[in-house]
Amino acid sequence: DAGVIQSPRHEVTEMGQEVTLRCKPISGHDYLFWYRQTMMRGLELLIYFNNNVPIDDSGMPEDRFSAKMPNASFSTLKIQPSEPRDSAVYFCASPRNRDSDGYTFGSGTRLTVV
Amino acid sequence: AQRVTQPEKLLSVFKGAPVELKCNYSYSGSPELFWYVQYSRQRLQLLLRHISRESIKGFTADLNKGETSFHLKKPFAQEEDSAMYYCALGGGSNYKLTFGKGTLLTVNP
Repeated sequence: DAGVIQSPRHEVTEMGQEVTLRCKPISGHDYLFWYRQTMMRGLELLIYFNNNVPIDDSGMPEDRFSAKMPNASFSTLKIQPSEPRDSAVYFCASPRNRDSDGYTFGSGTRLTVV
Repeated sequence: AQRVTQPEKLLSVFKGAPVELKCNYSYSGSPELFWYVQYSRQRLQLLLRHISRESIKGFTADLNKGETSFHLKKPFAQEEDSAMYYCALGGGSNYKLTFGKGTLLTVNP
């Protein structure tokens, strides 16, 4: 298993542009989590899915943020329009197994909005 | 509500010195505690789980339900331990983890 795969690794975009971040979770897991990491706030849970359905999106900061999981092997996080304060590292994560053994994280997407 | 507090944002020690990274939690149910480590610009990696009571890279952590703490300890710090450390709390059936804000550990030569 290749683990959790995120793309792109780095994204630099201009303010106002649309940004799409992608995640391929570990196959066979029903849950997928999106986190945002900043120096000021640490790791914040944005949204998580179960069986491709969004369960809790209360962490999504604004309507400019949206996330989808069209199938069990793919999820996207979209920001439209992007703003400089959205600059952060965005991680997605899958549970390691069926037990409560924590997550496997992707390598993250470092987003810079200028 | 779940809450994790890591009171130290930065911690600096010398090589060979003992290190303790503090973590306190708030949770009404049966907690599951984890420590994650993130080396410079890398992904977060699971370091320890309280249920396994293991020692990884010389680190240990004991869950103290009375003090609602899960402090991470190592008797002799190494330079390669320099990293960001996150304490995380779970416990529900939804695999959701709540993370502390992290502690940046620097081990000086």
